[in-house]
Amino acid sequence: EAQVTQNPRYLITVTGKKLTVTCSQNMNHEYMSWYRQDPGLGLRQIYYSMNVEVTDKGDVPEGYKVSRKEKRNFPLILESPSPNQTSLYFCASSPTGIGINEKLFFGSGTQLSVL
Amino acid sequence: DAKTTQPNSMESNEEEPVHLPCNHSTISGTDYIHWYRQLPSQGPEYVIHGLTSNVNNRMASLAIAEDRKSSTLILHRATLRDAAVYYCIGMKDGGGSNYKLTFGKGTLLTVNP
Repeated sequence: EAQVTQNPRYLITVTGKKLTVTCSQNMNHEYMSWYRQDPGLGLRQIYYSMNVEVTDKGDVPEGYKVSRKEKRNFPLILESPSPNQTSLYFCASSPTGIGINEKLFFGSGTQLSVL
Repeated sequence: DAKTTQPNSMESNEEEPVHLPCNHSTISGTDYIHWYRQLPSQGPEYVIHGLTSNVNNRMASLAIAEDRKSSTLILHRATLRDAAVYYCIGMKDGGGSNYKLTFGKGTLLTVNP
């Protein structure tokens, strides 16, 4: 089944403790992206990647890092999490990221709480 | 991305049609209009998209105004499973550094039995 898989589904951590949220897709998509969703603010893009080793900032990249060493994986790294990063996070992918006729496929989300 | 404006919420009855409006007055000639929806506790999912003419698929229909400043997502017979937040997005052609997608707040659709 074609899907975008995020792990973990829920994560509670403390301020300053480094964490990684994993994202994997099995559709051979070149484009992958991370979003955060906060009440009243909708979905905001954090980082995106057009292909392996190619990443760029979205609208809210501060406090986050990403890497794209292989096509299928796009982990989101919080080096020193803070409470304002408590949010619901979504990973998404699409075939090339260029075609306006393309659909975005989303994962099921990761609910992160930073205490 | 083109800035879009949607009502915060709408309500419908089961088995009745639903018309979800979206204003995108700043849209450019090459921006497609995409619709996604987000069911409770799930990630967003694609619904439909179009450029100038009306579009139909198994999920919904999309009616785009002649001046392209607005569009309407039509669910022909709402079911309880259609209760979700619906997002209208203007997607710019070209990709690359332009591929920043802002979903906004969307419209919360409630479907009554």
